[in-house]
Amino acid sequence: GAVVSQHPSRVICKSGTSVKIECRSLDFQATTMFWYRQFPKQSLMLMATSNEGSKATYEQGVEKDKFLINHASLTLSTLTVTSAHPEDSSFYICSARGVSANTEAFFGQGTRLTVV
Amino acid sequence: KQEVTQIPAALSVPEGENLVLNCSFTDSAIYNLQWFRQDPGKGLTSLLLIQSSQREQTSGRLNASLDKSSGRSTLYIAASQPGDSATYLCAVLPGGGSEKLVFGKGTKLTVNP
Repeated sequence: GAVVSQHPSRVICKSGTSVKIECRSLDFQATTMFWYRQFPKQSLMLMATSNEGSKATYEQGVEKDKFLINHASLTLSTLTVTSAHPEDSSFYICSARGVSANTEAFFGQGTRLTVV
Repeated sequence: KQEVTQIPAALSVPEGENLVLNCSFTDSAIYNLQWFRQDPGKGLTSLLLIQSSQREQTSGRLNASLDKSSGRSTLYIAASQPGDSATYLCAVLPGGGSEKLVFGKGTKLTVNP
């Protein structure tokens, strides 16, 4: 299947700093990318949907100024957690889908963010 | 609103057993259904994708079926191995132009050697 690469896999940062997570589709053009957050022993919670070249659409309750999403190209989307706090510590996963809306969705390896 | 349920939440079997994981969804108007595997601390690996017009898909020891009218899908794993231990997630892509997958809460499978 197609490959979605997410980097870094783990990051520890100090409270108040910002962290950027990258999500790349390596062998296909991802017109749509999704960012999820996963709490321990729970399923994925969709944070936002981004389409290449346009602003991301955030789910209800997700602060767009806190979680900045950029989808500048068909192969790269980034999530920046700004002014991180310990409660932002979580597992973040990106997903990408190709041109057709009902094609297979592929996921990155996830990023474990710990804010100390 | 589409809801996806997976039963059981956890399953423990001895190595070599054949097993079935269940997924049900409330609205039969879907584009497709995907089964994923998630290992602890990792992302999701896509196992099988079934389009709404299809009845089943197979990959190796895995077979997924889809009965759209009854809102059900099953994932059959043949001759289970300890390496199959993981959480299995079912997700549907609703109809009506939505791009967002709706996930079940998963079934945690443990295959004992």
